[in-house]
Amino acid sequence: ETGVTQTPRHLVMGMTNKKSLKCEQHLGHNAMYWYKQSAKKPLELMFVYNFKEQTENNSVPSRFSPECPNSSHLFLHLHTLQPEDSALYLCASSQDPPPPGDYGYTFGSGTRLTVV
Amino acid sequence: KNEVEQSPQNLTAQEGEFITINCSYSVGISALHWLQQHPGGGIVSLFMLSSGKKKHGRLIATINIQEKHSSLHITASHPRDSAVYICAALNDMRFGAGTRLTVKP
Repeated sequence: ETGVTQTPRHLVMGMTNKKSLKCEQHLGHNAMYWYKQSAKKPLELMFVYNFKEQTENNSVPSRFSPECPNSSHLFLHLHTLQPEDSALYLCASSQDPPPPGDYGYTFGSGTRLTVV
Repeated sequence: KNEVEQSPQNLTAQEGEFITINCSYSVGISALHWLQQHPGGGIVSLFMLSSGKKKHGRLIATINIQEKHSSLHITASHPRDSAVYICAALNDMRFGAGTRLTVKP
């Protein structure tokens, strides 16, 4: 257990469904991130929240909608997804600035999403 | 061309071997991260480096800022080290494609 918990671990959804991914961290970090990892591709940063404010939206389609109600919770709301959105979605948190000796980022185990 | 290049892409080693994974980057970065991703998908942050060298157990990471190059070394490799190792400048949103390491008993 890394201290960053993602649910669900696996999700299969149809293109007309609406679902949400949840991420929770109990590390006292002040920044949270959503990453996408498609098969055989590098990680891609989707969204960054720092002190609950969205500071980065890396040209992500509007069918992905993030929500950060507090510094411990992060959601990714999904609607009308496409099959090419099937991927591993990873949440991470960090302390900005990082304290000395910190590893930087703590990742969750990911949600493996399949869009059918 | 990716701004963060890793080599090799795939690496197979025998248990006990010394392993080196290399990372070169072509842009200015604030810090370099080495990540470990196991088959289940979860990622563990191994190191965050902005200069010099760090050691944690059997893992050693080095960075040369002038040459824009970093290496991850694994001493006395073990089958449980089998994973994908990713070099990334997370603060700068740049990621390597990963090196898939398989350590055979």
